[in-house]
Amino acid sequence: GQNIDQPTEMTATEGAIVQINCTYQTSGFNGLFWYQQHAGEAPTFLSYNVLDGLEEKGRFSSFLSRSKGYSYLLLKELQMKDSASYLCAVRGPFSGGYNKLIFGAGTRLAVHP
Amino acid sequence: SQTIHQWPATLVQPVGSPLSLECTVEGTSNPNLYWYRQAAGRGLQLLFYSVGIGQISSEVPQNLSASRPQDRQFILSSKKLLLSDSGFYLCAWSHRDRANTGELFFGEGSRLTVL
Repeated sequence: GQNIDQPTEMTATEGAIVQINCTYQTSGFNGLFWYQQHAGEAPTFLSYNVLDGLEEKGRFSSFLSRSKGYSYLLLKELQMKDSASYLCAVRGPFSGGYNKLIFGAGTRLAVHP
Repeated sequence: SQTIHQWPATLVQPVGSPLSLECTVEGTSNPNLYWYRQAAGRGLQLLFYSVGIGQISSEVPQNLSASRPQDRQFILSSKKLLLSDSGFYLCAWSHRDRANTGELFFGEGSRLTVL
């Protein structure tokens, strides 16, 4: 089976830095995505890693270690609008299907003043 | 530019009634299409995906079905809804080209409440 783990909830202070971890054990791997989802809305794309290392995009960075089955999303200079769920997703192929994304349960981040 | 729309946005249905959610994509051709469900406080569960007209892969055994009558149309259906079918349903598409990253582009979502 496929397993993607991330913490259920995190809290942080406005202006601070927060790191959201994701570990995965999947039968295939062709990239890892991070999505942001505000309550009641559809997820929106944040980042994509397919090779080991850090990808930086403004206040957001994402890191991948394929040998460890590990990724993190780093959010800097937190703003109140960053309060949302952050979804880790692994791209297949899995069991005969390619280009499938399997999602973790998401980490609900609350940013406080 | 590419767009994806799904409807209805919200619906409340009695147990045992039928369901039809529709999704259309514009501005691209031959997309991969997906239906996901998100139960309250839980992650996205892949229900169906399609790589072409009439080609549907089911991920989870259940009383839902999907159809792709046209290249850019994806329909989620049920003949008889169960209470457990309540949730937030998301349609998504990705580029068919394997060389692409495979990023998913989501529709606005349909919130289904079964009473």
